[in-house]
Amino acid sequence: DIQMTQSPSTLSASVGDRITITCRASHNITTWLAWYQQKPGKAPKLVVSKASNLPSGVPSRFSGSGSGTDFTLIISSLQPDDFATYHCQQYNNYPYTFGQGTKLEIK
Amino acid sequence: QVTLRESGPALVKPTQTLTLTCTFSGFSLSRSGMCVSWIRQPPGKALEWLARIDWDDDKYYSTSLKTRLTISKDTSKNQVVLTMTNMDPVDTGTYFCARYIGTVGLDYWGQGALVTVSS
Repeated sequence: DIQMTQSPSTLSASVGDRITITCRASHNITTWLAWYQQKPGKAPKLVVSKASNLPSGVPSRFSGSGSGTDFTLIISSLQPDDFATYHCQQYNNYPYTFGQGTKLEIK
Repeated sequence: QVTLRESGPALVKPTQTLTLTCTFSGFSLSRSGMCVSWIRQPPGKALEWLARIDWDDDKYYSTSLKTRLTISKDTSKNQVVLTMTNMDPVDTGTYFCARYIGTVGLDYWGQGALVTVSS
């Protein structure tokens, strides 16, 4: 199975900050990488697909990049609604695997 | 409008079989490219991908759980069913179903169903 490692596990930041979350795959997954945002008690929400594509309705302050084994999620100017847990997932090889999650909290 | 909803027992006993149903609307699982996946999340822990069924009835399972899982679909009812045998307390968590499209990922999710395994 492909292992997905996110860092950091927890990130403290303030409204207006630019933040970066990284995700590393144990094997080459080309660009088959998605990012999900999850708030407490809610289902995850897709915010980036295929490493860098934003689904309709996702604010442009979100961006994703990377290919192969190293990927990043950037939020350019944090808004109060962005504080949540972010998960990466590879969908290049079965079984599809998730990272352990990054909790983005208010400083 | 795409929606999915999980249903099933909130409490199961150890060794029992769990059956969860995902009822969806807004798309057809008979349409080429459409798939439904199950994902679970133990309390306070990471997401774990469990299984997927495709429009053409291809099925895929978690490596570690494949001996315990069965996924099936009823296209006429817009439902996908997941069964997990020999339930254990470590299987406690929220179980989600989600639509999967190959170029996109899991684009629509159900609200989740909390399952507790306890005697």
